[in-house]
Amino acid sequence: NAGVTQTPKFRVLKTGQSMTLLCAQDMNHEYMYWYRQDPGMGLRLIHYSVGEGTTAKGEVPDGYNVSRLKKQNFLLGLESAAPSQTSVYFCASTFTDPGGYGYTFGSGTRLTVV
Amino acid sequence: AQTVTQSQPEMSVQEAETVTLSCTYDTSENNYYLFWYKQPPSRQMILVIRQEAYKQQNATENRFSVNFQKAAKSFSLKISDSQLGDTAMYFCAFMKHNTGKLIFGQGTTLQVKP
Repeated sequence: NAGVTQTPKFRVLKTGQSMTLLCAQDMNHEYMYWYRQDPGMGLRLIHYSVGEGTTAKGEVPDGYNVSRLKKQNFLLGLESAAPSQTSVYFCASTFTDPGGYGYTFGSGTRLTVV
Repeated sequence: AQTVTQSQPEMSVQEAETVTLSCTYDTSENNYYLFWYKQPPSRQMILVIRQEAYKQQNATENRFSVNFQKAAKSFSLKISDSQLGDTAMYFCAFMKHNTGKLIFGQGTTLQVKP
């Protein structure tokens, strides 16, 4: 049981390049989330999904797109990377009844945009 | 909108002693959950303790306990018998009932000294 797996773990991009971060979970969770973590600011929600084929905006969605074509996967895309998107990105998933139990985080992706 | 505030950026404690981390939050909701997460240098987000707002009894998990003051919107974490392995960043987080979306504070870096 791998839990929540994020790939890649590290990446360096040049300004203007695009990339996709992949999040995969094997716990049959309905809800999935993408957060970013910046120094001194805690984690902030970028986008989330409450089920296959659904996505919604979080607190800081600008510059990102997401897709949930399969229940187990949640992709985060950067179409034209900017230095302001340098951050650590966390994916998380949870059950349909998100009372906090079963909330599982991936190990994070450190992205640097130069 | 809900906000979570951790007013102590850094704290230190001697091994085997007790330390309390502060957290306040602002919400007009009545049904919600509060959490403390630990993030060691490995970057993994680890759930330390969880409190349901409708429960008056303070949550306890081994050496970790909370002081939940709903009227004052305060949620502090007490770590007893501090261990070197407790050295980490600690985040307080809020979740509105049935949303699954976590709102994090800025974090407190705790160092346990031998």
